[in-house]
Amino acid sequence: EVQLVESGGGLVQPGGSLRLSCAASGFTVSSNYMSWVRQAPGKGLEWVSVIYSGGSTYYADSVKGRFTISRDNSKNTLYLQMNSLRAEDTAVYYCARTTGGYSLGYYYYYMDVWGKGTTVTVSS
Amino acid sequence: DIQMTQSPSSLSASVGDRVTITCRASQSISSYLNWYQQKPGKAPKLLIYAASSLQSGVPSRFSGSGSGTDFTLTISSLQPEDFATYYCQQSYSTPGFTFGPGTKVDIK
Repeated sequence: EVQLVESGGGLVQPGGSLRLSCAASGFTVSSNYMSWVRQAPGKGLEWVSVIYSGGSTYYADSVKGRFTISRDNSKNTLYLQMNSLRAEDTAVYYCARTTGGYSLGYYYYYMDVWGKGTTVTVSS
Repeated sequence: DIQMTQSPSSLSASVGDRVTITCRASQSISSYLNWYQQKPGKAPKLLIYAASSLQSGVPSRFSGSGSGTDFTLTISSLQPEDFATYYCQQSYSTPGFTFGPGTKVDIK
């Protein structure tokens, strides 16, 4: 079964750090694009970061320079290292397989497998 | 950066109703538009990709249309399990996969 399971969330003080993990089963993390998406309480979805199968990484402006996405191929696990955390980083963090498919000859990317999320609360 | 908007922000409908949600991009994104459904406390679920391609396992009452800047998600006959929030997402200007603000569909 294709599955993603996040862990590592919790309560952290402003300025602190946290590392989220996303363990995959049923597919290979390193063969896919993998994303982190977050959702602040009562708010919409916000794309946070993506790591390409080739290893390139990209970030939303709101987290650039503070968050680092990575993966451990031997553990088939995705990570998000979050430093210098702020109150506005409080959210449920989801990992998502970002795969693609052809439609009418063009290749399109979408997020087809999601974890259940892990909650990060930044508060003193 | 491409901005996504959705209308309405919320709507009330009855079981059996035809429901249409609109998504607009700030610039042309061709057909690089996805739709997701999210129920309270749950992860989003992919419904439609490439503007009109139905994801495997998604009921055929869901359909998507549009290209360029204007897109619609239609539920042909609303079912009790369809009450949820729906998000559009652009995948044209990657790596930033921008989401729309969402449309909440609740029971009239």
